[in-house]
Amino acid sequence: NAGVTQTPKFQVLKTGQSMTLQCAQDMNHNSMYWYRQDPGMGLRLIYYSASEGTTDKGEVPNGYNVSRLNKREFSLRLESAAPSQTSVYFCASSALPAGGSNEQFFGPGTRLTVL
Amino acid sequence: RKEVEQDPGPFNVPEGATVAFNCTYSNSASQSFFWYRQDCRKEPKLLMSVYSSGNEDGRFTAQLNRASQYISLLIRDSKLSDSATYLCVVNERGGTSYGKLTFGQGTILTVHP
Repeated sequence: NAGVTQTPKFQVLKTGQSMTLQCAQDMNHNSMYWYRQDPGMGLRLIYYSASEGTTDKGEVPNGYNVSRLNKREFSLRLESAAPSQTSVYFCASSALPAGGSNEQFFGPGTRLTVL
Repeated sequence: RKEVEQDPGPFNVPEGATVAFNCTYSNSASQSFFWYRQDCRKEPKLLMSVYSSGNEDGRFTAQLNRASQYISLLIRDSKLSDSATYLCVVNERGGTSYGKLTFGQGTILTVHP
């Protein structure tokens, strides 16, 4: 099992460009999440999906959109990138609401720089 | 006030030392608590859950004080491989409900020979 995979690993964008970060999990998990991690800020939740077909805003959703394409895949889109979106983006999944465990499994991250 | 606060460190300790990290959380409704470990430029991984009665996993001991809204992690007999950032994580809802995890900013530990 690959667990949680993310593409790309690195990306450099110019201000105003758009891109989609891809995430897939092979653990048959119900819930998926997108976080960003900035120095001194900890991980902050951007969006989450508690089940296929549902998405909800997290703590810092502005400037992002998401799609839960199917149970396996959850993508994050930046429509018009801004320098403030320079960050490391992590996708995660968990068995919730089924399974009883709150453990979240993380992908390897995407390092995004917006110039 | 941040929802989850940790001393960012860094903590620099010699091999074999005992080191303790503390964490406070602001939401008294929080129900589940965890310590995650994050190696440099890697993703976070669950180290251990924290239970009300306290729990131990080898050299690692976690404690929870709900009255003071305080969590701790104790590492005994530190190894070089323990060098990492330790993230205190709090979940507002336990059980099978959707679990919004709130992460502290992390405490950096460096273990030196």
